[in-house]
Amino acid sequence: GAVVSQHPSRVICKSGTSVKIECRSLDFQATTMFWYRQFPKQSLMLMATSNEGSKATYEQGVEKDKFLINHASLTLSTLTVTSAHPEDSSFYICSANGGPKMYGYTFGSGTRLTVV
Amino acid sequence: TQLLEQSPQFLSIQEGENLTVYCNSSSVFSSLQWYRQEPGEGPVLLVTVVTGGEVKKLKRLTFQFGDARKDSSLHITAAQPGDTGLYLCAGEILGSNYKLTFGKGTLLTVNP
Repeated sequence: GAVVSQHPSRVICKSGTSVKIECRSLDFQATTMFWYRQFPKQSLMLMATSNEGSKATYEQGVEKDKFLINHASLTLSTLTVTSAHPEDSSFYICSANGGPKMYGYTFGSGTRLTVV
Repeated sequence: TQLLEQSPQFLSIQEGENLTVYCNSSSVFSSLQWYRQEPGEGPVLLVTVVTGGEVKKLKRLTFQFGDARKDSSLHITAAQPGDTGLYLCAGEILGSNYKLTFGKGTLLTVNP
């Protein structure tokens, strides 16, 4: 089955620093990847849609200059949280879609970000 | 506004009981998925339904997709402690270019 690898699984960083999270589709090409944020015991909130070779599409209320997304290849998308603050602490999850014939999405295992 | 209403949000039952989780919307979905998520992990796909009126079974889990493709339900028979987790419905709204809309989730606890 399709596998999406997300790295790192946990990261602790100091306020003001930047953190990069990687999302890789291991056995399929993903023209579109999605980045979500999840608070404890709550559902996933879509942050942005990452399109290979073009600019990401951000959801309303998500700061594009703070959450930088790069989708440089068909198997890799990265989310960089710039100048992180404690309120950015959260669980970040990516997912990838392999195209029209691949119903459902494969999710990464998530990244727990803690900003201290 | 919540495009996909999922209920109940919290459910605590005893082992052996049955339960149903509902997802409703005013929008039509080209497909709808159900996921289960464990703490600290990403959601794992349980099933995808695409045809109005479709019913799919996965062991003790039964999934239905409404005729109009606007609603879905998940029924668990004889729940077990291992069924404990966060259940999420997510729909791909018609014409949304693969963007998923998630319900708020149902946190299920099955007590031994």
